[in-house]
Amino acid sequence: DQQVKQNSPSLSVQEGRISILNCDYTNSMFDYFLWYKKYPAEGPTFLISISSIKDKNEDGRFTVFLNKSAKHLSLHIVPSQPGDSAVYFCAASNLLGLNAGGTSYGKLTFGQGTILTVHP
Amino acid sequence: KAGVTQTPRYLIKTRGQQVTLSCSPISGHRSVSWYQQTPGQGLQFLFEYFSETQRNKGNFPGRFSGRQFSNSRSEMNVSTLELGDSALYLCASSLVGLAGGKNIQYFGAGTRLSVL
Repeated sequence: DQQVKQNSPSLSVQEGRISILNCDYTNSMFDYFLWYKKYPAEGPTFLISISSIKDKNEDGRFTVFLNKSAKHLSLHIVPSQPGDSAVYFCAASNLLGLNAGGTSYGKLTFGQGTILTVHP
Repeated sequence: KAGVTQTPRYLIKTRGQQVTLSCSPISGHRSVSWYQQTPGQGLQFLFEYFSETQRNKGNFPGRFSGRQFSNSRSEMNVSTLELGDSALYLCASSLVGLAGGKNIQYFGAGTRLSVL
């Protein structure tokens, strides 16, 4: 049962244009979402996150949008640069479940990843 | 500040053997989580340790175990290795393991385990 899904295995974008990476989730208990970037032979690097009490969070060229009713989030990269070429993972966690005595300590649930290629 | 350090980076073992992987978290971080990454299953949560106690565990067989020391360093052990255990094993540390808010998980480069 895949609770976090990234339906696009790959995305190709021209330098300077917008990259939009999408992620869907099924577990309504998820209340915190993160995006990580991963280069080959390296661990995932944190990019940006968003709490379920917000619908948008910006950090420089990166913006994450959250649509709770649709259980959908997206990462926008503007403008895209060749150095952005990597695998992007969305991840979700359940903080409220933790606060209510749940067992969500230290657990992120990841999507399968999307390979982004930015062409010069 | 030094990042998360995992050793060794690469490991080759044969079926039936056991293996121990090591993770040193970011200084001041007390929570360590372990993940397994495979092409078919993606990144999957193994377990989390905080103050030398396992607080959370994923859906992996008992052959996968771990521990944490008083300095927050962590080890994971896989006994009776199977071919399917070949994977990238990632360790992540955070302040207190809430996996959100200000307690973002930061990952090491991983240990690539090949079981022959």
